[in-house]
Amino acid sequence: GENVEQHPSTLSVQEGDSAVIKCTYSDSASNYFPWYKQELGKGPQLIIDIRSNVGEKKDQRIAVTLNKTAKHFSLHITETQPEDSAVYFCAASKSGGSNYKLTFGKGTLLTVNP
Amino acid sequence: DGGITQSPKYLFRKEGQNVTLSCEQNLNHDAMYWYRQDPGQGLRLIYYSQIVNDFQKGDIAEGYSVSREKKESFPLTVTSAQKNPTAFYLCASSRDRGATGELFFGEGSRLTVL
Repeated sequence: GENVEQHPSTLSVQEGDSAVIKCTYSDSASNYFPWYKQELGKGPQLIIDIRSNVGEKKDQRIAVTLNKTAKHFSLHITETQPEDSAVYFCAASKSGGSNYKLTFGKGTLLTVNP
Repeated sequence: DGGITQSPKYLFRKEGQNVTLSCEQNLNHDAMYWYRQDPGQGLRLIYYSQIVNDFQKGDIAEGYSVSREKKESFPLTVTSAQKNPTAFYLCASSRDRGATGELFFGEGSRLTVL
């Protein structure tokens, strides 16, 4: 089955700096890669996703890049703010057949210091 | 407000007791999921249901049971057979039955076994 590795497990940055979180996946058939943000005591919330037919997607201060050849994808947050502090999860899945499973990475705790 | 409602938010249980966690959605979504979250482990799939009266085991179904008698409801029972039930449990739903669309999560239920 699919295996998703996520690094780093913790990341501390100064407000205004950029943050990058990286994930690798094992199944070359995977074609959907979402990122979720989980604030303390809450459920995760989708912040951005990318499908395998594109290499990069941006939404204001966040962007995701995908390298299908290397089987890795990354989340980039620019101009970080204290409210960006949370746990971020990457995930991967593939469409079609009987697959209904989204495989998550183990998460990255991002701390943005004022 | 549309969303996922989980209850109770906190639950304490004695060893040997079964406990049922409630999950209700008013998003008219076909698919519903239960995930377990442990520190440093990411999200692991317990059970999922793509349609009423049908559900499938995920990666860690042992010691758990579910039902899907109504589209809006997907309760999870943690049985006494679950060896390590203390965890944060997250319910989610999605419009699409496959695993390539946004998951909407509830705020979670924290179960502690005394």
